Amino acid sequence: EIVLTQSPGTLSLSPGERATLSCRASQSVGSTYLAWYQQKPGQAPRLLIYGASTRATGIPDRFSGSGSGTDFILTISRLEPEDFAVYYCQQQATFGPGTKVDFK
Amino acid sequence: EVQLLESGGGLEQPGGSLRLSCTASGFTFSSYVMNWVRQAPGKGLEWVSAISGSGDTSYYAASVRGRFTVSRDNSKNSLYLQMNSLKPEDTAVYYCAKDRETWLTRNNDYWGQGTLVTVSA
Repeated sequence: EIVLTQSPGTLSLSPGERATLSCRASQSVGSTYLAWYQQKPGQAPRLLIYGASTRATGIPDRFSGSGSGTDFILTISRLEPEDFAVYYCQQQATFGPGTKVDFK
Repeated sequence: EVQLLESGGGLEQPGGSLRLSCTASGFTFSSYVMNWVRQAPGKGLEWVSAISGSGDTSYYAASVRGRFTVSRDNSKNSLYLQMNSLKPEDTAVYYCAKDRETWLTRNNDYWGQGTLVTVSA
């Protein structure tokens, strides 16, 4: 069973800063099913990235994904106020524990 | 516009049963794999189950296999989750979600608002 580890657990940043979120798999995985989601309190998750690097429909280009093998990255180039949320990575049936991006 | 609307959640005793429903609109329902994903209060996401577009293949997480049954009625654009032998650890918000592809990826591009299931004596 694949285990996904996300780091850091919490990322404290200011609007306009760059956010770099990490997702590490316990074994090498294909990138086809590697996805990233954003979730705000009281809301359903929102698909941001799939296939490790393809933005979902309507997702701003400040969100980008990269990586392969065991190490994947979600980058938010310049944080907007609406980007402060929890971010989850997913590989097939497994979700990571999430990274919370909050205001510094 | 894609819409997914869950119903059927509520309070149930351990060992009891509940049936969740999800009504879909805005896309060709029968073409897509559909998933159930849950989230325990204050916790992360857990994939629960999936079903193929035709309904002839289903998939389950180990934590629910043998207790939960996923089904669909494409004539009604509806997805169901029959939950039996409920345990307190099944307490969660259950989301109905559309797979992004017509084959199983478990990557979900549209989600319902969720329905809360509470299992407690």
